[in-house]
Amino acid sequence: GAGVSQTPSNKVTEKGKYVELRCDPISGHTALYWYRQSLGQGPEFLIYFQGTGAADDSGLPNDRFFAVRPEGSVSTLKIQRTERGDSAVYLCASSLNSGTDEQFFGPGTRLTVL
Amino acid sequence: DAKTTQPTSMDCAEGRAANLPCNHSTISGNEYVYWYRQIHSQGPQYIIHGLKNNETNEMASLIITEDRKSSTLILPHATLRDTAVYYCIVRVVDGTGNQFYFGTGTSLTVIP
Repeated sequence: GAGVSQTPSNKVTEKGKYVELRCDPISGHTALYWYRQSLGQGPEFLIYFQGTGAADDSGLPNDRFFAVRPEGSVSTLKIQRTERGDSAVYLCASSLNSGTDEQFFGPGTRLTVL
Repeated sequence: DAKTTQPTSMDCAEGRAANLPCNHSTISGNEYVYWYRQIHSQGPQYIIHGLKNNETNEMASLIITEDRKSSTLILPHATLRDTAVYYCIVRVVDGTGNQFYFGTGTSLTVIP
């Protein structure tokens, strides 16, 4: 069946611009997670949604980062006034429920800020 | 903060068992041990998880010490496709703290 998909696969933007990254979770999965992965590092937690609400956004680095999941399915990660340090692979994962359910990861969006 | 310590890299001969250690000396009683792996340019893939008992599935076995301060992931017959970065994660499962803290993992290279 279809897994987690993320679009675009690659995004190049200029410093100061606004970007949106999209995640389509597995159908029926209620929990959705965003992570950021810099080169040579493990994924870093950003935010977790249970349904439509952000249950934990403690990993968002600052107020330039925001994420929504208005209908409890697709989620969009929004980054304002991008900085070169925002360059990374942004990973999305979903799970059937929270708790012990395994997280299924998408292939990620590679963001490059010039 | 990552709560686990893993060797940076390991090699394993193809067809042999790969034993990947993980230290989690500060683990709490309600924290599970999870293992994920990440093949180059792909998203992480779930392998196995456990609380205190040893676990086995079609991919691997997880051995957790009695004091739960360390664990070992065992790939019984490593293949070239098992070359990846392996992450050991401890995670509270209480309906609130559902994020994973990945750390830097162990880069496993399976050698022909």
